[in-house]
Amino acid sequence: DGGITQSPKYLFRKEGQNVTLSCEQNLNHDAMYWYRQDPGQGLRLIYYSQIVNDFQKGDIAEGYSVSREKKESFPLTVTSAQKNPTAFYLCASRTDTEAFFGQGTRLTVV
Amino acid sequence: GDSVTQMEGPVTLSEEAFLTINCTYTATGYPSLFWYVQYPGEGLQLLLKATKADDKGSNKGFEATYRKETTSFHLEKGSVQVSDSAVYFCALSRRDSSYKLIFGSGTRLLVRP
Repeated sequence: DGGITQSPKYLFRKEGQNVTLSCEQNLNHDAMYWYRQDPGQGLRLIYYSQIVNDFQKGDIAEGYSVSREKKESFPLTVTSAQKNPTAFYLCASRTDTEAFFGQGTRLTVV
Repeated sequence: GDSVTQMEGPVTLSEEAFLTINCTYTATGYPSLFWYVQYPGEGLQLLLKATKADDKGSNKGFEATYRKETTSFHLEKGSVQVSDSAVYFCALSRRDSSYKLIFGSGTRLLVRP
């Protein structure tokens, strides 16, 4: 089945640690996106990539980093510089007309 | 910049009631408009979309019409079910902004038996 796979589903991070969230797609889409969702709020764009080896900052990129070495993969690293990383993270890929989302990773700082 | 405004929830309805969730947008040019649904603990699923003025998107009994004159894309359903309980997001994207999706804050719908 084609789709987007995010892992892990739940992730716990100690303060001061970097963690990496995985996002893989087999839809052959060029464009991929990372969003952050906080309770009672909409989704905010962290980073996006329109093609391999290229990516741009979204609205809330501070404290995050990404790479796009392969078309299928767009991992997100939450660094220790992100002051409030506890949130639900969603990865998406898209065609010109439709976006497809993964099941999300819930990150909690302990 | 572009933005989407949705009515605040939660919206609580009895089964078989009529549903309206209001959505208005601000954008330059001609955005595409979307409704996404999110069930607890899951990602977002596309519910319906419209790509130009006066288009009506529909799916699973839900409908929304792209109204450029009022910059609105209100979601409606004639008879809701308990299984429709979820969070609904209105969103827009534009070709000249790299098709980035701009989301509203979401509206939680709770349908009681």
